[in-house]
Amino acid sequence: QKEVEQNSGPLSVPEGAIASLNCTYSDRVSQSFFWYRQYSGKSPELIMSIYSNGDKEDGRFTAQLNKASQYVSLLIRDSQPSDSATYLCASPGGGADGLTFGKGTHLIIQP
Amino acid sequence: GAVVSQHPSWVICKSGTSVKIECRSLDFQATTMFWYRQFPKQSLMLMATSNEGSKATYEQGVEKDKFLINHASLTLSTLTVTSAHPEDSSFYICSARMVGGGDTQYFGPGTRLTVL
Repeated sequence: QKEVEQNSGPLSVPEGAIASLNCTYSDRVSQSFFWYRQYSGKSPELIMSIYSNGDKEDGRFTAQLNKASQYVSLLIRDSQPSDSATYLCASPGGGADGLTFGKGTHLIIQP
Repeated sequence: GAVVSQHPSWVICKSGTSVKIECRSLDFQATTMFWYRQFPKQSLMLMATSNEGSKATYEQGVEKDKFLINHASLTLSTLTVTSAHPEDSSFYICSARMVGGGDTQYFGPGTRLTVL
């Protein structure tokens, strides 16, 4: 059974600082990883996907993947209060590539 | 682009009744749709994978006779919770994968089911 692990937090970061979110996974053959943001009571929204080792940047967000160490991370630069949410790491692992989600990290950006 | 809708957004029903939830991809065709369930303070758990024109694939522990899935077209999948009970109260979320769009999934806004 594939597992995706995240620290549930809460992770508290001052406004304007860099928030660093981490995720580890158990299945070495995993090829793709996704970061979703979920506000309370809402469904997840896709932030980034990453498939290759290294960094991928999109605006204030940078995803990092290290397949040898089986971890993927998300950096949020210049954190804003609106970034306060739960961040979910996910990778295909369920039936027909349904996503296996981590439990999510609750991020709080302090004004 | 890549908008997925769900209807209804919330529903309250009595124990023993059946509830149907619709999931539509509005601006793309989806060969595969997925149904997830999220209990309070927990993460999303995959319930089943729905492929257009074929039977759904259910995850271990999910009763296929209780959670009926129909994927009649490339833009519509439905989940029917039959004989709902209070323990079925949850946030049901569908996602869709675009034809030729790799394995990125786009999520609907979710349906909050409360069974009294």
